[in-house]
Amino acid sequence: SQTIHQWPATLVQPVGSPLSLECTVEGTSNPNLYWYRQAAGRGLQLLFYSVGIGQISSEVPQNLSASRPQDRQFILSSKKLLLSDSGFYLCAHGTGVGYGYTFGSGTRLTVV
Amino acid sequence: QKEVEQDPGPLSVPEGAIVSLNCTYSNSAFQYFMWYRQYSRKGPELLMYTYSSGNKEDGRFTAQVDKSSKYISLFIRDSQPSDSATYLCAMTPNTDKLIFGTGTRLQVFP
Repeated sequence: SQTIHQWPATLVQPVGSPLSLECTVEGTSNPNLYWYRQAAGRGLQLLFYSVGIGQISSEVPQNLSASRPQDRQFILSSKKLLLSDSGFYLCAHGTGVGYGYTFGSGTRLTVV
Repeated sequence: QKEVEQDPGPLSVPEGAIVSLNCTYSNSAFQYFMWYRQYSRKGPELLMYTYSSGNKEDGRFTAQVDKSSKYISLFIRDSQPSDSATYLCAMTPNTDKLIFGTGTRLQVFP
């Protein structure tokens, strides 16, 4: 069965510090992978998606970047965090057209 | 105008009530429709998915799609306090990439 791992669960980082969030998928090959951010009381904002190794599409210009160094690994990064980067970050993988996504458990990031 | 509109709530109902959650959309190309449930501080989990118009039932949950009105609904019968969560609709024309509603927060009180 397919599982998705995301860590850490919570993170408190100072403004200007770097960020690295990792997501890995098991039980499937060549998945479509997604990074979303969910601000308090707001919907899901698609940040990046990837259809294969090294292939990254950015949906929103911002302070963040993504990389896919391996087939089942997706990394969200920032060189210098801003206060506005605080939020709940979710990784997801597609399970086929019409079947939706499986989401990870999320990382709650607070930038102080 | 957003592609998918969803009332943010909160919607507060007593235990045992029938709950109706709704989304409207503007893109007539959408064919696949999903409902997700998200508990506080957790990732969303898929509840139901449907294709095109019609109804689909799964236990206490019924998903309904009306493509002519561009309107989808999720009904929860005999609601329980454990149903208290945020419910997100999602849809896509024919790709893996989903468009989400902003979510409706549901509170079921004993």
